[in-house]
Amino acid sequence: KAGVTQTPRYLIKTRGQQVTLSCSPISGHRSVSWYQQTPGQGLQFLFEYFSETQRNKGNFPGRFSGRQFSNSRSEMNVSTLELGDSALYLCASSGGREGAYNEQFFGPGTRLTVL
Amino acid sequence: AQSVAQPEDQVNVAEGNPLTVKCTYSVSGNPYLFWYVQYPNRGLQFLLKYITGDNLVKGSYGFEAEFNKSQTSFHLKKPSALVSDSALYFCAVKISTNAGKSTFGDGTTLTVKP
Repeated sequence: KAGVTQTPRYLIKTRGQQVTLSCSPISGHRSVSWYQQTPGQGLQFLFEYFSETQRNKGNFPGRFSGRQFSNSRSEMNVSTLELGDSALYLCASSGGREGAYNEQFFGPGTRLTVL
Repeated sequence: AQSVAQPEDQVNVAEGNPLTVKCTYSVSGNPYLFWYVQYPNRGLQFLLKYITGDNLVKGSYGFEAEFNKSQTSFHLKKPSALVSDSALYFCAVKISTNAGKSTFGDGTTLTVKP
């Protein structure tokens, strides 16, 4: 099976712009989660989508949003970018019988730099 | 609320020696515990997990971890370290009511010297 793919891999934006990141989960996986990884804050949970519905949400401002399509692909949007949004954004999918006991499979990430 | 602590930012061991990377957790209810490894400029790779049953779980690349409920710990171990084990290791916890949310520790950089 193909792994989790994320596009683009690298992105450079300026403050105030918006950005959309894309994630394609492993075939058959219905849960897609997004994380922000920074040196100072570590790995922070953004949100999780399951069967096109947001099931969990982390403590991020409303500028961060996402959605999931019927084929389980997911997009994450950040509006009005700030310098502090510079980070590696990781997407993870999990499948099988849905449950917290499932491990997550991570994509390579999108490296966002805000200038 | 759920949290994970990895008390050591850095662990250094010599090749061939045993290694331990420490992890403690705090959750309400039963935890599902995971270890992931991250190589430079890559996403995280799953190593092993504890769900229930035997406290000693075995995973990929010769790694194992021991779940200790009384000490709320889930330390990662390997009997004989390899230089190629050098990477960033994350411990994570999930609970049944938040199936898609992993809470991660801050990570421990493991360096194995020849």
